[in-house]
Amino acid sequence: EIVMTQSPGTLSLSPGERATLSCRASQSVSSTYLAWYQQKPGQALRLLISGVSSRATGIPDRFSGSGSGTDFTLTISRLEPEDFAVYYCQQYGSSPLAFGGGTKVEIK
Amino acid sequence: EEQLEESGGGFVQPGGSLRLSCAASGFTFSNSNMNWLRQAPGKRLEWVSCITYSTSTTYYADSVKGRFTVSRDNAKNSLYLQMDSLTADDTAVYYCARDHGRGDYTYWYFDLWGRGTLVTVSS
Repeated sequence: EIVMTQSPGTLSLSPGERATLSCRASQSVSSTYLAWYQQKPGQALRLLISGVSSRATGIPDRFSGSGSGTDFTLTISRLEPEDFAVYYCQQYGSSPLAFGGGTKVEIK
Repeated sequence: EEQLEESGGGFVQPGGSLRLSCAASGFTFSNSNMNWLRQAPGKRLEWVSCITYSTSTTYYADSVKGRFTVSRDNAKNSLYLQMDSLTADDTAVYYCARDHGRGDYTYWYFDLWGRGTLVTVSS
């Protein structure tokens, strides 16, 4: 069973700054089966990235994903006010599916 | 606009039952593979169950197998989760989510989510 660990737990940044979120798997993630989601309070989760680096429909290009094997990164190049939220990674290459514990990006 | 809206959550005693519903709109529900996921307080997201578009195949997490039953009514654009023999460990926000795959393809990541419905199991 793969365990996904996200770091840091909280990231305090200002609008316009670059955010780098880490997701580490306890075992190698099969192929490129890694997704990222965004969640804002009271709202539905939103798919940002699938296949490690493919942006979902309508996701702005300031969001990018990278990585392979056990180490993955979500980068937000310049934070907009609407980007302050909780972000989750998920591996879907093996059963059981596994989500990370989340990184909260908060306004500094 | 594509939307999913869960309902049916509430307070139930251990050993009790509850039926969750998820109403879909704005997309072709009958061709979509649908899932339930949950997030207990302070815990990470957990996949619970999947039902394929034709209802021919269902999948369950080990933690709910034999107690939960997923079903769907394509004519009503609705997904359901019958939860029996509930325990405190089932306390969570339950989310309805659409698999990215359509038809015979299941990708196991989720491109549309509802806002969730809270289930509390307590005596």
